[in-house]
Amino acid sequence: EPEVTQTPSHQVTQMGQEVILRCVPISNHLYFYWYRQILGQKVEFLVSFYNNEISEKSEIFDDRFSVERPDGSNFTLKIRSTKLEDSAMYFCASSGPSTGELFFGEGSRLTVL
Amino acid sequence: AQSVTQLGSHVSVSEGALVLLRCNYSSSVPPYLFWYVQYPNQGLQLLLKYTSAATLVKGINGFEAEFKKSETSFHLTKPSAHMSDAAEYFCAVRNTYGGSQGNLIFGKGTKLSVKP
Repeated sequence: EPEVTQTPSHQVTQMGQEVILRCVPISNHLYFYWYRQILGQKVEFLVSFYNNEISEKSEIFDDRFSVERPDGSNFTLKIRSTKLEDSAMYFCASSGPSTGELFFGEGSRLTVL
Repeated sequence: AQSVTQLGSHVSVSEGALVLLRCNYSSSVPPYLFWYVQYPNQGLQLLLKYTSAATLVKGINGFEAEFKKSETSFHLTKPSAHMSDAAEYFCAVRNTYGGSQGNLIFGKGTKLSVKP
């Protein structure tokens, strides 16, 4: 069964550093998303991406955040100048053209020290 | 704006008892509604979805949910809880504006505990 895969599963970084979280969406999907979940809190939308551009973003997705689909298969989330409050589980998701269902990866846990 | 409210951050049931997890939504257009489950240290797995077809939706692991427009509800039920159902459950709504692939808005989640 096709699945969304994410790497790394856990990243530890120092405050102020840059991190890149990687995702490989399901191959025939066209819509891509990043969500985050701070420990003990709800899952929050960050950004959606379609046709090589951001289609929607939340207020969490400030100018330190960026997304890219560099090679037609990977979908990356970059966070510059990381802050302590960026510590969270980051989930990538993708969806096909018609079902409305999002398929989620297992997440990348980011710890900012 | 769309939103989801899950009543009860923590629900505890005995094994074999009925599971009822409540979800109410707010949407100005016909919504798509979803229930996702998250087991400890894992990602989100789709349990079931409502996309304007049958109002009673059956999902995996014996769960089902009923869309009630008059009550703006989409409660999740399972007749008989199993120990393996212990997890966190998230209700989510997705906008269907103009056929676009809107993002999911999640509720705060309900943690289900199952006692032996």
